[in-house]
Amino acid sequence: QVTLRESGPALVKPTQTLTLTCTFSGFSLRTSGMCVNWIRQPPGKALEWLALIDWDDDKYYSTSLKTRLTISKDTSKSQVVLTMTNMDPVDTATYYCARHTVRDAFDIWGQGTMVTVSS
Amino acid sequence: EIVLTQSPGTLSLSPGERATLSCRASHSVSSSYLAWYQQKPGQPPRLLIYGASSRATGIPDRFSGSGSGTDFTLTISRLEPEDFAVYYCQQYGSSITFGQGTRLEIK
Repeated sequence: QVTLRESGPALVKPTQTLTLTCTFSGFSLRTSGMCVNWIRQPPGKALEWLALIDWDDDKYYSTSLKTRLTISKDTSKSQVVLTMTNMDPVDTATYYCARHTVRDAFDIWGQGTMVTVSS
Repeated sequence: EIVLTQSPGTLSLSPGERATLSCRASHSVSSSYLAWYQQKPGQPPRLLIYGASSRATGIPDRFSGSGSGTDFTLTISRLEPEDFAVYYCQQYGSSITFGQGTRLEIK
């Protein structure tokens, strides 16, 4: 069974750096074609793709947020980590991780973790 | 970046009716790398359709996808009560982007 679970702080202050961890099971990021993504969704708003990392350690970022994001993986721990710098209240959202294989859609999603940015 | 525009923003229908949701891309979506997701309150999105027209595992056949290039459609042939939700299209052929969603509500 494939599962993903997001974890991280529920509350961060403006200007702080957010670090989120996606812990997955049922598949390996060593498998050719496998990718893990981060997506966010502000309350009542649409989904926004943030970043992905693939089996070959290639990384891709949203153009609009590229300067603030870093994605990395620890294959031995089955984890993918996203950091987002200089957090602002507009970054308040539910953050999801999701799996896909190259040229395929996001077939399995985590339940999401809500992050509020407030002083 | 490919911008996806979904219409209508809200669709009000009754159970048993047919729903037609549209997703228009600002540039052609390569190889029909277009997906549709369903999202209910408090839940993550669920993959319905990938490759523009292929149903994901376990998705009922009342859901169908069509289209190519810049115009795509999700059709729900006969609405069931559990189908009322928000629907998003996504393209994954050139980077990754989502549409702004269509809310399907009970009339």
